[in-house]
Amino acid sequence: DAMVIQNPRYQVTQFGKPVTLSCSQTLNHNVMYWYQQKSSQAPKLLFHYYDKDFNNEADTPDNFQSRRPNTSFCFLDIRSPGLGDAAMYLCATSRDGTAGPGDEQFFGPGTRLTVL
Amino acid sequence: GQSLEQPSEVTAVEGAIVQMNCTYQTSGFYGLSWYQQHDGGAPTFLSYNALDGLEETGRFSSFLSRSDSYGYLLLQELQMKDSASYFCAVGTDSSYKLIFGSGTRLLVRP
Repeated sequence: DAMVIQNPRYQVTQFGKPVTLSCSQTLNHNVMYWYQQKSSQAPKLLFHYYDKDFNNEADTPDNFQSRRPNTSFCFLDIRSPGLGDAAMYLCATSRDGTAGPGDEQFFGPGTRLTVL
Repeated sequence: GQSLEQPSEVTAVEGAIVQMNCTYQTSGFYGLSWYQQHDGGAPTFLSYNALDGLEETGRFSSFLSRSDSYGYLLLQELQMKDSASYFCAVGTDSSYKLIFGSGTRLLVRP
């Protein structure tokens, strides 16, 4: 089945120690997104790619970086995690990003990050 | 600013009908989407409205009034498995992104 895969599902890191979360998709979608979601809150968009075009949200901290080496893979790098970065990180894809019929976002299962 | 308002919690009885509302204030509007998220799970797409009116998919219906900047998700014949958070989301322009509301947590009781 075509899907969005995130690894690892659970990640523990130490305060200030760089960490990388990965996402892969078999849907061959053009657009990939990274969201941060804290408990009982809405997913908050960090950045997204349309193909190789990178789009950073204005309020995404510089501590967060992303790479998309090819269509299938996308990485989220947190350079110096703080306690406030503990959250669920969701990767999503969409075919063309129009959000119209047949172009909904498909989410991966998420990576829950704990910062000690 | 851009905002979407949703009630934080709704409780309903198994077999009943529940309506979850969403009002939005955004600088642009391309359509209103609804996503379901079970605890610990990923959001999954439920429905999409770009034009005024009602869209029905099985037990789920979604309504939009663009003039009122308002929509709702209607769930019929509630089942225990419907207990989850429901997010509305607006596409505001052509930049491929959605703005999510804070979500309504639905609790279905026996």
